[in-house]
Amino acid sequence: AQSVAQPEDQVNVAEGNPLTVKCTYSVSGNPYLFWYVQYPNRGLQFLLKYITGDNLVKGSYGFEAEFNKSQTSFHLKKPSALVSDSALYFCAVRPLYNQGGKLIFGQGTELSVKP
Amino acid sequence: GAVVSQHPSWVICKSGTSVKIECRSLDFQATTMFWYRQFPKQSLMLMATSNEGSKATYEQGVEKDKFLINHASLTLSTLTVTSAHPEDSSFYICSAPSGRDNEQFFGPGTRLTVL
Repeated sequence: AQSVAQPEDQVNVAEGNPLTVKCTYSVSGNPYLFWYVQYPNRGLQFLLKYITGDNLVKGSYGFEAEFNKSQTSFHLKKPSALVSDSALYFCAVRPLYNQGGKLIFGQGTELSVKP
Repeated sequence: GAVVSQHPSWVICKSGTSVKIECRSLDFQATTMFWYRQFPKQSLMLMATSNEGSKATYEQGVEKDKFLINHASLTLSTLTVTSAHPEDSSFYICSAPSGRDNEQFFGPGTRLTVL
C-alpha cells in the first residue's frame, strides 16, 4: 500500500535553532513530493516540491527539503527557526502514474518554535 | 499563482438541515477538484474527486448520498452536506490542480458546525 509517514506528531525548537521535520514515503516508482504548511483554521499553503533534478529543493520562507531516494525520505529543514514558523506541516506525495494530481498526505507534524 | 476560494468560510447549522459549500478556481480552469475533510490537528482525508461535467468519484467509506458533489462549470465545484448531523462537524477543504505539474492549490477551508 502506498503511504506517507511523518514519524513525529510534534517538534519543538527554540527560535534561531535549525529545525527538521521528517517524512518518509512508500510509493512505487519516482513520485512527486510536496511540503505544505497549515496555520490554524486555514487551508494548506505550498512550501516546496521535488519533481526531478537536484536533491536539495529550496522553497518559501527559507525552507528547504532534501530528497533521498535510497532512504525514501524527504525531510523538511530550515537553518534558523522563527516563532512565526509554528504551524502544522504536511508532507505529501503524488505517484507518478497519477497525473490528475491526487495526493497522499502524511499525518502531519505540529511545529512549535519557542522564543 | 493559482487561487482557490471557498464560501462560506464558516457555517453553523441545525441538525437535519443541508449545507452547501462552494469551491472556486479564481484565475484558472479546473476540470478536476478534490474535496477533503480534516479533524482537529489531523491529516486531510480525501473524500471525493469532483469531475466537471460528470459524476464525482468517491473514496471508500464516503457516502455519496450524504455528500453531494456538483461540478457544473470549469471554475466551480459544490459540496452539499445533506441532513447534517453533529458528527459531520469538521473542516472541509477543496483543492484544484493547475500548471504543468498539476500542482494542487488549496482553498482556505470551511468550518462546519452542526448543532
